[in-house]
Amino acid sequence: DAGITQSPRHKVTETGTPVTLRCHQTENHRYMYWYRQDPGHGLRLIHYSYGVKDTDKGEVSDGYSVSRSKTEDFLLTLESATSSQTSVYFCAISDAPTGTSGFVQYFGPGTRLTVT
Amino acid sequence: AQSVAQPEDQVNVAEGNPLTVKCTYSVSGNPYLFWYVQYPNRGLQFLLKYITGDNLVKGSYGFEAEFNKSQTSFHLKKPSALVSDSALYFCAVRDRTAGGYNKLIFGAGTRLAVHP
Repeated sequence: DAGITQSPRHKVTETGTPVTLRCHQTENHRYMYWYRQDPGHGLRLIHYSYGVKDTDKGEVSDGYSVSRSKTEDFLLTLESATSSQTSVYFCAISDAPTGTSGFVQYFGPGTRLTVT
Repeated sequence: AQSVAQPEDQVNVAEGNPLTVKCTYSVSGNPYLFWYVQYPNRGLQFLLKYITGDNLVKGSYGFEAEFNKSQTSFHLKKPSALVSDSALYFCAVRDRTAGGYNKLIFGAGTRLAVHP
């Protein structure tokens, strides 16, 4: 978890409210990712970023938006939270792949989000 | 479609016995393969990777993995299991349809339980 922090670590919110999760890195890595983890599904990619202001959708992006205004910060926003978005959210980072290095993703400690 | 399968939801092993956690993959071209471990209430930790070279890859905490191209497998192994190895293990493969973007596809995970 070194070099990657997520905030908040735990959050309970009500259906329909907006929620923003923050990922902060000190590694100066180019790529940042948001995943959600649910039992039986492993990790599923929500959105990722390949540079400041450069983002793209993952496999489960509906209901989520992201922003990256600085290299070190990647924000995930649930515009209007639903109970199906109750999950554990992980941020990950990786360096730009070159040769045989840079492909490993490193993960933050996670945020447990409960939508009631 | 590219995919990763972990055929066992749970693996039970006695302490001191060898352990194997299975992973099979389906990708076009040469695969880049990874193993991660997740301890309770923690983020994923990188264990090892196969990019190219020797089919037997050594990683952290005494783990190793064997790449078998003909069987499209990348099984995780350890000669002598410890109770502290009990955790959730994820296999992942680089998404080769992502071009230069460093995206991973994760399996659903296998829970390893090592009994004293």
